Amino acid sequence: DAGVIQSPRHEVTEMGQEVTLRCKPISGHNSLFWYRQTMMRGLELLIYFNNNVPIDDSGMPEDRFSAKMPNASFSTLKIQPSEPRDSAVYFCASTRGGQPQHFGDGTRLSIL
Amino acid sequence: AQSVTQLDSQVPVFEEAPVELRCNYSSSVSVYLFWYVQYPNQGLQLLLKYLSGSTLVESINGFEAEFNKSQTSFHLRKPSVHISDTAEYFCAVESNYKLTFGKGTLLTVNP
Repeated sequence: DAGVIQSPRHEVTEMGQEVTLRCKPISGHNSLFWYRQTMMRGLELLIYFNNNVPIDDSGMPEDRFSAKMPNASFSTLKIQPSEPRDSAVYFCASTRGGQPQHFGDGTRLSIL
Repeated sequence: AQSVTQLDSQVPVFEEAPVELRCNYSSSVSVYLFWYVQYPNQGLQLLLKYLSGSTLVESINGFEAEFNKSQTSFHLRKPSVHISDTAEYFCAVESNYKLTFGKGTLLTVNP
């Protein structure tokens, strides 16, 4: 089975630009999570979707961040405008029915 | 609120030596406990989990962890490590849907 697929794997862009990260969850999973990993703060939950509906977005840092899940097989995390402090590795994870979360390989984002 | 403390940020060991990675948690409700492993430039992979039942849980590659409710701990152990075990290890607690991670322990196995 294909795992959680994230794209791009790496993104380098200049501050002020819009950044869009993409995630395809495992087929049949109905919960999706976006995490951010930094050296200083470790792994932080940004937002959680259940059945395509955002349930908890309390971890989204500020209004520059937005996430959508238009259907069960696709989600995006957008940063507009991006800032150097947004540089991090962003992970997407999915699960169903109380099973452990499965993680993608992440997107390494660098904002210059 | 829940929190996870991994007491060691780095653990260097020699190949074939035993290792213990420590994890303590705090939570006001019942939780599920997990260890995830992260190899360089990869996502997190589930190593083992405690949901209920036997307090000693094992993975397929020789790791084990014991849930100790009185000490609120879930330490990870392996009696003999390999070079290939070099990775970062994360302890996590889940309550409802929410996973809270520790800061991670970098295990480096030297020849």
